[in-house]
Amino acid sequence: KNQVEQSPQSLIILEGKNCTLQCNYTVSPFSNLRWYKQDTGRGPVSLTIMTFSENTKSNGRYTATLDADTKQSSLHITASQLSDSASYICVVSATRNYGQNFVFGPGTRLSVLP
Amino acid sequence: NAGVTQTPKFQVLKTGQSMTLQCAQDMNHNSMYWYRQDPGMGLRLIYYSASEGTTDKGEVPNGYNVSRLNKREFSLRLESAAPSQTSVYFCASSRRRDEFAGTFGSGTRLTVV
Repeated sequence: KNQVEQSPQSLIILEGKNCTLQCNYTVSPFSNLRWYKQDTGRGPVSLTIMTFSENTKSNGRYTATLDADTKQSSLHITASQLSDSASYICVVSATRNYGQNFVFGPGTRLSVLP
Repeated sequence: NAGVTQTPKFQVLKTGQSMTLQCAQDMNHNSMYWYRQDPGMGLRLIYYSASEGTTDKGEVPNGYNVSRLNKREFSLRLESAAPSQTSVYFCASSRRRDEFAGTFGSGTRLTVV
């Protein structure tokens, strides 16, 4: 069964600190993996997209890594800001059966405190 | 550009009532999607439209119908609302059917009592 698991479920950090969010998946055949940020009451916004051949991709203070062998990805946030408080969603897509192959993880709720 | 616009933002229905959620995008995207988001779960695809004139079922289509009115608009209809349909609904769009560009609307929070 295609699944995406994320950990931790929630996380609280102090402003300025770094953190790492995890994503494990069993989706196959793998096509790409995306990380989204979802602010409260808003729709998700794409942060990064990674294909099979990419190990690392950065978007400002966000750095995503991908290990296709172990089917794991992480999202590292550097020097956190209050505006980073949001849910972070990992989405994995497979190459066939379009429409049913975008599997969303449940998200990690990050709270950044002053 | 407005991106993806959903209406209404909030709605309360009584069991058995019907309603239509509206979605419009101004990015000239070919593909559009309807998702629902429930607490503790990932977004789940209800229906999608790969291109104008086509619609297909997603993971959880029961109790819903859709209409791709034109390239810009994709509506979701609940014919007889049930409490299990209480959720947050997101519309999204992408340029191509094989590229989920991930442009989401801001969501519709629906409560069925």
